[in-house]
Amino acid sequence: KAGVTQTPRYLIKTRGQQVTLSCSPISGHRSVSWYQQTPGQGLQFLFEYFSETQRNKGNFPGRFSGRQFSNSRSEMNVSTLELGDSALYLCASSLAGEGGIYSPLHFGNGTRLTVT
Amino acid sequence: SQQGEEDPQALSIQEGENATMNCSYKTSINNLQWYRQNSGRGLVHLILIRSNEREKHSGRLRVTLDTSKKSSSLLITASRAADTASYFCATAPNPYSGAGSYQLTFGKGTKLSVIP
Repeated sequence: KAGVTQTPRYLIKTRGQQVTLSCSPISGHRSVSWYQQTPGQGLQFLFEYFSETQRNKGNFPGRFSGRQFSNSRSEMNVSTLELGDSALYLCASSLAGEGGIYSPLHFGNGTRLTVT
Repeated sequence: SQQGEEDPQALSIQEGENATMNCSYKTSINNLQWYRQNSGRGLVHLILIRSNEREKHSGRLRVTLDTSKKSSSLLITASRAADTASYFCATAPNPYSGAGSYQLTFGKGTKLSVIP
């Protein structure tokens, strides 16, 4: 089975621009989560989608948004980029559904976003 | 916000030695998971221990959980150079809504260096 695929691998953007990151989960996984990883804050939960519905959201400003498509692929968008948005953005998929709290997360290799 | 706190922050050992990493957390959990991250890449799930379990083994990995002390430890026996990575504990919350959605709260990780 193919793993979680994130594109692009690297991105360089300028302050004020917006960016869209893409994630293709493992086939059969309907839950997709997004995490932001920075040296200072570590791994922070952004949001989780299941069957095209956002089920859970972390403590991030409204500039961070996401969506999930019917094929479970997900995108996240960051508008009006700030320098502090520079981070590794990780997508993870899982089988989480009913009783799915014991399903581990399968991570992609991330998108490294640099904001200048 | 960080729930898990790993200790030590960095650990350097010789190949063949055992490596022990500790994790402390603050609130009630449903389960605790350990992940490994090689530099600049995604996280890989290693092991999950439920709140009603005290010890679990997987190959060269041994995880213990003490819910009274809100702590866990990960032991890697007979370490290899390929074990060089950052190791994170992550907690799933309790009470669990049962809706299938949960967010993992990650610690900041222990950076393990195994010297050949």
